[in-house]
Amino acid sequence: QQQVKQSPQSLIVQKGGISIINCAYENTAFDYFPWYQQFPGKGPALLIAIRPDVSEKKEGRFTISFNKSAKQFSLHIMDSQPGDSATYFCAAFWTGTASKLTFGTGTRLQVTL
Amino acid sequence: DAGITQSPRYKITETGRQVTLMCHQTWSHSYMFWYRQDLGHGLRLIYYSAAADITDKGEVPDGYVVSRSKTENFPLTLESATRSQTSVYFCASSRQKGEKLFFGSGTQLSVL
Repeated sequence: QQQVKQSPQSLIVQKGGISIINCAYENTAFDYFPWYQQFPGKGPALLIAIRPDVSEKKEGRFTISFNKSAKQFSLHIMDSQPGDSATYFCAAFWTGTASKLTFGTGTRLQVTL
Repeated sequence: DAGITQSPRYKITETGRQVTLMCHQTWSHSYMFWYRQDLGHGLRLIYYSAAADITDKGEVPDGYVVSRSKTENFPLTLESATRSQTSVYFCASSRQKGEKLFFGSGTQLSVL
């Protein structure tokens, strides 16, 4: 049972464009939603995270949009750069239980020149 | 600042053999995790530990054993490796429950 569904599986965006990755969750108890970025041969690293009491969080060119009623959240990468080419994972966490972060299946982003 | 290190980086083994993947962190983080990464499945939790001598199963624990006798080490053992355990394994740690995860660079395991 996939508790966090992520799409698309892969994405190609031109330099300067907007990359959008979507995630949907099922468990309404989730209360922390991080995004991790992974470069080839490396482990994932936290990129940005949001809690459901806000609808949007922005850090530089990266923005999380959160829709609690639809149980969806998305990552927007503005002015996408070739250096953003990586795999992105959304995740969800319920802080009230044992520490188990549930990850989406990942999106492989390629930013072309 | 060594952070979190995994060894070996690459491992090839045969079906039925026992394999141990090592994970060491220098931050004295309470929580440690083992994930496997497979195409189409993302990162799936195998086992985690809240402290020394406290471990619990994750999403896919079958065929794996963990121990945590010291806070800084969290080895993962495949008791009798199977081809379905061919994967990239990541160890991670966090200071406390719900906090940012720090991942190691992974161990690429091939079971022939």
